[in-house]
Amino acid sequence: GQSLEQPSEVTAVEGAIVQINCTYQTSGFYGLSWYQQHDGGAPTFLSYNALDGLEETGRFSSFLSRSDSYGYLLLQELQMKDSASYFCAVRSRNYGQNFVFGPGTRLSVLP
Amino acid sequence: ETGVTQTPRHLVMGMTNKKSLKCEQHLGHNAMYWYKQSAKKPLELMFVYNFKEQTENNSVPSRFSPECPNSSHLFLHLHTLQPEDSALYLCASSPGGDTVGQSYGYTFGSGTRLTVV
Repeated sequence: GQSLEQPSEVTAVEGAIVQINCTYQTSGFYGLSWYQQHDGGAPTFLSYNALDGLEETGRFSSFLSRSDSYGYLLLQELQMKDSASYFCAVRSRNYGQNFVFGPGTRLSVLP
Repeated sequence: ETGVTQTPRHLVMGMTNKKSLKCEQHLGHNAMYWYKQSAKKPLELMFVYNFKEQTENNSVPSRFSPECPNSSHLFLHLHTLQPEDSALYLCASSPGGDTVGQSYGYTFGSGTRLTVV
């Protein structure tokens, strides 16, 4: 089987930096993705890491350590519109190359 | 239209009803998915179609029946549902095929909010 763990809630203020962690247990690991979902909206794709290291896309960065079965999403210069749920998702051979999603982290950005 | 479109957005049905959810994508993708999103639970993969062939059926009860007539359309037929089936049902698409190692994400629709009464 496989499992993913994320903190359930994170709170930060505008302009700050926040890191959302994700740990996973699986075999046949291919990669780790991050998605953002606003209330009532569709999950939207943010990033995909197949190799170790940090990938940066604008204010958002995603990190992966395959040896530690760990990744994180880093959000910089937080804005109110970043308040949303963030899901990590693992792609693995165990699941037919499909993505399995974590429970999600609710990020609240305060003024 | 672009992206992934799901209809209806909201659906209320009795336990003896039969209804269908529809998903349509205009992205030229070859894989389509049904996910269930319940309160306080992770997204649960239900069905996967790759090039119109069902490649995954994640132990979903038979009261849920998928149909994929072509690469652009996906249906979820519902009958004799239970109140615990109330949830947000999300459709997604991706390029499909053997793309391990390639950087891509799923494109999700906005979902159908289903309430079983």
